[in-house]
Amino acid sequence: GQNIDQPTEMTATEGAIVQINCTYQTSGFNGLFWYQQHAGEAPTFLSYNVLDGLEEKGRFSSFLSRSKGYSYLLLKELQMKDSASYLCAVGGATNKLIFGTGTLLAVQP
Amino acid sequence: GAVVSQHPSWVICKSGTSVKIECRSLDFQATTMFWYRQFPKQSLMLMATSNEGSKATYEQGVEKDKFLINHASLTLSTLTVTSAHPEDSSFYICSARGGSIYNEQFFGPGTRLTVL
Repeated sequence: GQNIDQPTEMTATEGAIVQINCTYQTSGFNGLFWYQQHAGEAPTFLSYNVLDGLEEKGRFSSFLSRSKGYSYLLLKELQMKDSASYLCAVGGATNKLIFGTGTLLAVQP
Repeated sequence: GAVVSQHPSWVICKSGTSVKIECRSLDFQATTMFWYRQFPKQSLMLMATSNEGSKATYEQGVEKDKFLINHASLTLSTLTVTSAHPEDSSFYICSARGGSIYNEQFFGPGTRLTVL
């Protein structure tokens, strides 16, 4: 079967760092994507990992370990506008995206 | 970045009517588009993969006769919800792949469907 797990909710403080974990078991792997989704809006692309290691893009970084079926999204210098759902998605064998349930992040002052 | 539009952004209809949703890639050609459905506080569930010039591929449990998909050109795919019922009320999102080195999917802004 195919399974992608993320924590349902997280809370963090403005200016802090937060790490959102994602574990996956899928048939086929064509990369792991992180998307940000604000309520009532479509997801927007944040990052893509296909090889093991850390990818850094400004305040956002994403890590992948294929052997462990594990990824995380790291958000630094949190801002109030970072309050959103963060979706982990795996590119499957047929290039379809399989989404996790999403992690709702609340950034508090 | 690549831009995908959807129309309408929201629609309210009576039970039993049909609703058509358009998805367009504005600045790139998309041979493949995807249709998702998202219920409140849930993640995106893939409904079907739409390929230009061929029949759509539906995910298990999605009724192809109820959710008609047409991918007539490289920039347009349509989803028609036929004989809509209240349980079809949801957020429908399309995406298109291409136009980037990451080959990621670019999502449209979504269509909020409410069936009374």
